[in-house]
This record gives sequence, C-alpha cells and structure tokens, in this order.
Amino acid sequence: GEDVEQSLFLSVREGDSSVINCTYTDSSSTYLYWYKQEPGAGLQLLTYIFSNMDMKQDQRLTVLLNKKDKHLSLRIADTQTGDSAIYFCAGTNVGSARQLTFGSGTQLTVLP
Amino acid sequence: DGGITQSPKYLFRKEGQNVTLSCEQNLNHDAMYWYRQDPGQGLRLIYYSQIVNDFQKGDIAEGYSVSREKKESFPLTVTSAQKNPTAFYLCASSAGLRDTQYFGPGTRLTVL
Repeated sequence: GEDVEQSLFLSVREGDSSVINCTYTDSSSTYLYWYKQEPGAGLQLLTYIFSNMDMKQDQRLTVLLNKKDKHLSLRIADTQTGDSAIYFCAGTNVGSARQLTFGSGTQLTVLP
Repeated sequence: DGGITQSPKYLFRKEGQNVTLSCEQNLNHDAMYWYRQDPGQGLRLIYYSQIVNDFQKGDIAEGYSVSREKKESFPLTVTSAQKNPTAFYLCASSAGLRDTQYFGPGTRLTVL
C-alpha cells in the first residue's frame, strides 16, 4: 500500500515563503492532495495535483510534483499568521479500491 | 449551503457505554467515510461506504460499527469493545470512491 511521509514541524516568519514537503511510495498514485486543518476543526481541501502534472499554482499556493523522486511540495507565498495550521498531504492509488492515504501532517507556525 | 455536518462537536461518555456519532451530507455524494485522528498522527480509516446499504471495513474497524440506510447519513457507533476510543472523529464524503473527499468539522469524543 501507499506510505506518505511528512516532516512534523515548520516555523517561518510572517511574509516569508513556506515550503512543506511530502514523500510517497506508490508511483501509481493518481491524485495528490493538500489539506489544511486549523485547531479543533475538520480538514479543508487546499489544492490537488494530478500525477501527469509537474506544477499547479493557485493564488499564493504552488504545488510541485517530482514523480521521479516521489516528492510533493506545497509552497505558500507571503505566509500570514492565518496560515498557521497542520497541513496534510494525501494520495490516492489507482490499484486500491479505496481512498486516501494521509501523511502525519506538518504543523506550520507563523511567527510575527 | 451544501456541506457535511457532524454532531455533536464534543461528546463525553463513560466506559462501557456505546455512543453514536452523526454525519450528514447534502452534497448528493455516494461515498462516505469515517476517520479517526489522534494527536500528532495522520488520519486512519475506520469504515467507508461506496453506496447506500453497503459499507466496508477500513484499517481500524475493530470496536466500531456503521450503517448506511440513507444516502445522506452515515452514523458511526463506538462500542464498548473499542479499547481506546478517546479521539477526534472526522467524517468525509466524495462523489465516488476515488473522487476528492470533503470533510466535516469533526466530533471530539472523550471517554471518562
């Protein structure tokens, strides 16, 4: 099955860019997702990328996919205090009848 | 407004009692899911349902039960057989089994 790994913590200064990284094991993953979770809340879908793409940009968010290295990253430009949250990457697998495999989440802390 | 609702937001129960968590969606989605989240960990799948009157065990189904009698509703019962039920429970839905999942706000269950 799919394994998805993320670093647990990231701190940045307000106004800087944040880069959250994720690695996955299943090269057949078709969609890769980024979700955001604020304290005590559910998961909010931020963006996703299809496996035949290398990059996707959506306002302050840029997703980069390196299929060769099975590496996914989420860049947040001009990081704000409201971006402080846990960010999860998740992947689907064509070969699985099911669903998403989640990483353990990266806690992003934005310092003033 | 379309979305997923979970109730209650906070739930307390005594050891040895069963408790049922509610999940309702008005997105007309066929697939629904229950996840468990523990501190510092990613989401683990408890049960999922592809369509009404059908559901399948996820990775950690022991001590839990579900039903899917209506398309909009997928209640989760945490039974007394669940050894460590204190956790944050998240419900999600998607149009189909491999489609993008959208999450509810979660229910925090505490066993006293």
